[in-house]
Amino acid sequence: QMQLVESGGGVVQPGRSLRLSCAASGFTFDDYALHWVRQAPGKGLEWVAIVSYDGANKYYADSVKGRFTISRDNSNNTVSLQMDSLRLDDTALYYCTRTAAYSLHGMDVWGHGTTVTVSS
Amino acid sequence: AIQMTQSPSSLSASVGDRVTITCRASQDIRKDLGWYQQKPGQAPKLLIYTASTLESGVPSRFSGSGSRTDFTLTIDSLQPEDFATYYCLQDYNYPHTFGQGTQVEI
Repeated sequence: QMQLVESGGGVVQPGRSLRLSCAASGFTFDDYALHWVRQAPGKGLEWVAIVSYDGANKYYADSVKGRFTISRDNSNNTVSLQMDSLRLDDTALYYCTRTAAYSLHGMDVWGHGTTVTVSS
Repeated sequence: AIQMTQSPSSLSASVGDRVTITCRASQDIRKDLGWYQQKPGQAPKLLIYTASTLESGVPSRFSGSGSRTDFTLTIDSLQPEDFATYYCLQDYNYPHTFGQGTQVEI
């Protein structure tokens, strides 16, 4: 079945880096744009970033622009989120999700998330 | 960035009730709006996209309407499994933005 599985979360000090990965299976990976969405403990959802089906286009939330980099590897069906200069308010559960490349509407498959804790 | 204002932030309802949640965009987003349901400890689930298109497999008691700046999610005849938090998301432009959520409680 269609699946997204995140990994790479952990505890990290402020100012340090962390790289999240998301492995996709069960669908044609390069038919989809991939997103990261996060949720701080007890808070709502926050969209973080998107990478287009071919990796050519990337967009970010203002809160992470210049610190986070999204990328994808279509040969290995993975999407990554490189997170640099981490701050306390980056602490969250990070979800990987997708939208069809032809429409870019409706995030229809989600992973279970990976937890990032930024703490000194 | 476009701001999405969702209301109410929470509501209490009973099984069988009709529930309405609204979302207002700070600018015209055409019909580029989705609705998501999230239950505790679970990932969000897509209910509706492009304002009124029901995702495959979602019960027909869920419906969406609206365009430009004002949108509504309606749940007809609330079921026990519908008690959850609901979010709107504008995917008209970047950065995409979520509403703050509506918790539907018993």
